[in-house]
Amino acid sequence: DTGVSQDPRHKITKRGQNVTFRCDPISEHNRLYWYRQTLGQGPEFLTYFQNEAQLEKSRLLSDRFSAERPKGSFSTLEIQRTEQGDSAMYLCASTVWGGDEQYFGPGTRLTVT
Amino acid sequence: TQLLEQSPQFLSIQEGENLTVYCNSSSVFSSLQWYRQEPGEGPVLLVTVVTGGEVKKLKRLTFQFGDARKDSSLHITAAQPGDTGLYLCAGVDNNNDMRFGAGTRLTVKP
Repeated sequence: DTGVSQDPRHKITKRGQNVTFRCDPISEHNRLYWYRQTLGQGPEFLTYFQNEAQLEKSRLLSDRFSAERPKGSFSTLEIQRTEQGDSAMYLCASTVWGGDEQYFGPGTRLTVT
Repeated sequence: TQLLEQSPQFLSIQEGENLTVYCNSSSVFSSLQWYRQEPGEGPVLLVTVVTGGEVKKLKRLTFQFGDARKDSSLHITAAQPGDTGLYLCAGVDNNNDMRFGAGTRLTVKP
């Protein structure tokens, strides 16, 4: 296992379209996090999973955003009816339960035109 | 408003100079992490500090956690162009939530 992977690395979409991103965490990590990062800012927490259970969602996660982790392994983040303000880098991170050290994937850069 | 304030926001220095960047908060953290991020990539973990007053060294990088566990500093000795990047601090609070600062963007010129 070489670390956290994310797919795609880049996505360009038109406003109003739906997009879905995938994250594959480090295999023995049971916690998975999604963050959003805009230019000049640090990552902002969106949501996290403990195995398949979604335990916390930020108020940043509007109704257009949904995340799943159906089998407690990979996770998907879907954005419906994208808006230009959704343009950002979407980062995924994983860790073991009780661990403070999160390991990040390379991110998916979304551009909404 | 950022929970963690990092300063300076930008820093540009010559190769061989020393520098210190800071991460401050009014909140107490059970642990604090420093990450380095390069353009187009995810953050890479550098170090975790847990105990108030703790000092950790990683080659030319020295990390210190404040006695009250509210702040931290990163000191780089003899900076090299390869140190260029965005340095992020992240604190884990008592609810086990991790929050990031906005980062210090460091440029080391050859």
